[in-house]
Amino acid sequence: DTGVSQNPRHKITKRGQNVTFRCDPISEHNRLYWYRQTLGQGPEFLTYFQNEAQLEKSRLLSDRFSAERPKGSFSTLEIQRTEQGDSAMYLCASSWVAKHEQYFGPGTRLTVT
Amino acid sequence: DAKTTQPTSMDCAEGRAANLPCNHSTISGNEYVYWYRQIHSQGPQYIIHGLKNNETNEMASLIITEDRKSSTLILPHATLRDTAVYYCIVIGVGTQGGSEKLVFGKGTKLTVNP
Repeated sequence: DTGVSQNPRHKITKRGQNVTFRCDPISEHNRLYWYRQTLGQGPEFLTYFQNEAQLEKSRLLSDRFSAERPKGSFSTLEIQRTEQGDSAMYLCASSWVAKHEQYFGPGTRLTVT
Repeated sequence: DAKTTQPTSMDCAEGRAANLPCNHSTISGNEYVYWYRQIHSQGPQYIIHGLKNNETNEMASLIITEDRKSSTLILPHATLRDTAVYYCIVIGVGTQGGSEKLVFGKGTKLTVNP
């Protein structure tokens, strides 16, 4: 257990539905990252926050995806109008800006049927 | 960030040292070498990182060649629980405005056999 928690751990949804995932980072960490991982591939960067500011977004993050970190603590990742191609593991990681190791949560596995 | 090359898979006997190589021939002066691993169905786990000196912690040792174009992660006494995918990542740290996001390749699937 790294101290980063993600909920839910598993989500099955029908195509076209909206889903939201939550990440609670290690409390003193001011950086929070979202990654996505499909079967057989390494994780791919989606977006990152420093405190409450979203400072970088990948081109992978289509306009159906939105992420927030309203008080600089927990973060949410919402996917609107889900598609089958969104099926993946969504990973959250946090770090302290002065130390660059990222600590990952267990992930949320999304299945879109 | 520099690209890395790792073998697709490796095997190791339990109790023996596992030596995982990584090539990063285009690494630049401000880029660090990081190693993470991912055990099946879990999130990646940080192992160790280094710039140019060899490093050791409670999990592993990292040997970086003098020209910094390659490195080796050493698990001194591999156990069955070390079976995982190991990722070598080169990243510029401390560059102004940098996100320091991790760019994962496919890594090396290490299987530790009894």
